[in-house]
Amino acid sequence: RKEVEQDPGPFNVPEGATVAFNCTYSNSASQSFFWYRQDCRKEPKLLMSVYSSGNEDGRFTAQLNRASQYISLLIRDSKLSDSATYLCVVNEGAGGTSYGKLTFGQGTILTVHP
Amino acid sequence: GAGVSQTPSNKVTEKGKYVELRCDPISGHTALYWYRQSLGQGPEFLIYFQGTGAADDSGLPNDRFFAVRPEGSVSTLKIQRTERGDSAVYLCASSSTGQGKNEQFFGPGTRLTVL
Repeated sequence: RKEVEQDPGPFNVPEGATVAFNCTYSNSASQSFFWYRQDCRKEPKLLMSVYSSGNEDGRFTAQLNRASQYISLLIRDSKLSDSATYLCVVNEGAGGTSYGKLTFGQGTILTVHP
Repeated sequence: GAGVSQTPSNKVTEKGKYVELRCDPISGHTALYWYRQSLGQGPEFLIYFQGTGAADDSGLPNDRFFAVRPEGSVSTLKIQRTERGDSAVYLCASSSTGQGKNEQFFGPGTRLTVL
C-alpha cells in the first residue's frame, strides 16, 4: 500500500465547475498536511496547508480528517488557469519530532476546458 | 528575492558515467532536501540536510548516490555508475528551518537522462 494515495484522475471539467480531490495516508503519526500544485514541466509549489479545522483560501477549501486519515481539496468556480497536477503531501516527522521530509501522492491531473 | 536554483537544467549522460547535480537554496534557509520525480509520479524523498549534516538519508536508493553540503548552503548530489533507471527529474527544495510545518520551496529541477 502506498503511503499517500490519491484519486487516479485525470479530471476534465468545464469552466465554473466544482471539483473535489481526495487523498488517504497510511501513517497515523503524520503531523502536517499540504496540497501542492505542479504545472507541466515545472516544480511543485505550495497551494495550501491543511488543518484539522478545515481551511479556505478563496475558491479553494481543504479538509483533514485525522480519524479516517483522509484529506480533501475542493475547488469551486474552476478557471482555465487551475489546470495542473495537484499533489497531496504529508509530513511524517520522525521519532515524534516534525521535520520536513515530505511524502507525495502520485498527483491528480486536472484539466479545465472552456 | 532569488529562489532555489539548480544546475544544470538538463543533463544527458551515458550508462556508467558519474554526474553531479548542484542546488543553491534560498539564502538563509538551513534545511535542504533532495527529491526525485519520475514521469507520472509525485516527488520521492532522497535526503535531508540540516545545516551541513545529513539528518536523514533514508531515501537514497543505494550507495551509488551521495550528497554533500559542506558549508551549509550549496549542495551537490552525486551519482556514480549511472544506470538507465536513474533517469528522472531531480528536485531540490529548501525551507527556513527543518520543521515539517514550514513551506518547502522547490527549484526547477535537473532533468537527468541516462542513455
